Amino acid sequence: DMKVTQMPRYLIKRMGENVLLECGQDMSHETMYWYRQDPGLGLQLIYISYDVDSNSEGDIPKGYRVSRKKREHFSLILDSAKTNQTSVYFCASSSGTGDERLFFGHGTKLSVL
Amino acid sequence: GQQVQQSPASLVLQEGENAELQCNFSTSLNSMQWFYQRPGGSLVSLFYNPSGTKHSGRLTSTTVIKERRSSLHISSSQTTDSGTYLCALVNTGGLSGKLTFGEGTQVTVIS
Repeated sequence: DMKVTQMPRYLIKRMGENVLLECGQDMSHETMYWYRQDPGLGLQLIYISYDVDSNSEGDIPKGYRVSRKKREHFSLILDSAKTNQTSVYFCASSSGTGDERLFFGHGTKLSVL
Repeated sequence: GQQVQQSPASLVLQEGENAELQCNFSTSLNSMQWFYQRPGGSLVSLFYNPSGTKHSGRLTSTTVIKERRSSLHISSSQTTDSGTYLCALVNTGGLSGKLTFGEGTQVTVIS
């Protein structure tokens, strides 16, 4: 069963707190992504990972960092969250073999108060 | 400027009507994908279509690279087709594997 799983689904944090968003996939995909989706701005790429410990910044990496220690897991970390990081965060994966078809998780709705 | 532009921004259909959604891009294309997103939901890949025409049930995707456009045709629309349709492209020379998304077309099908 091809699946991208995100945890948690909903999260409320206070400004300044640390946030950990987790993502897993069961397809042995090499490439994984973190996007955020905001009204009027669409989906914006935060980070892309090509394999374990091989991560590249996307369009809006400031305020975020990522960790990929196993191929099937990709974490997004917000150190000292800000209110403007309130958003819906999507993780995705692709095989990375030249077919960039993306599989998305259900998203994490993060509210930073 | 905006690399991927979708039109129309929103669309209301009577059940049974057909619709054509457009995606225009300003950069060289490596690949094009169409996604569907239900309100508050995840994105589901509909088509991976770097060129030519592909069919899936009542949906047809056509990408014409030299004209820098892709379209998604919905035939005999149903209320379950309601949601947002997004196109995304991987442009040549960009960050490998990176998709750039349009802002989407919000489709509402009424019975």
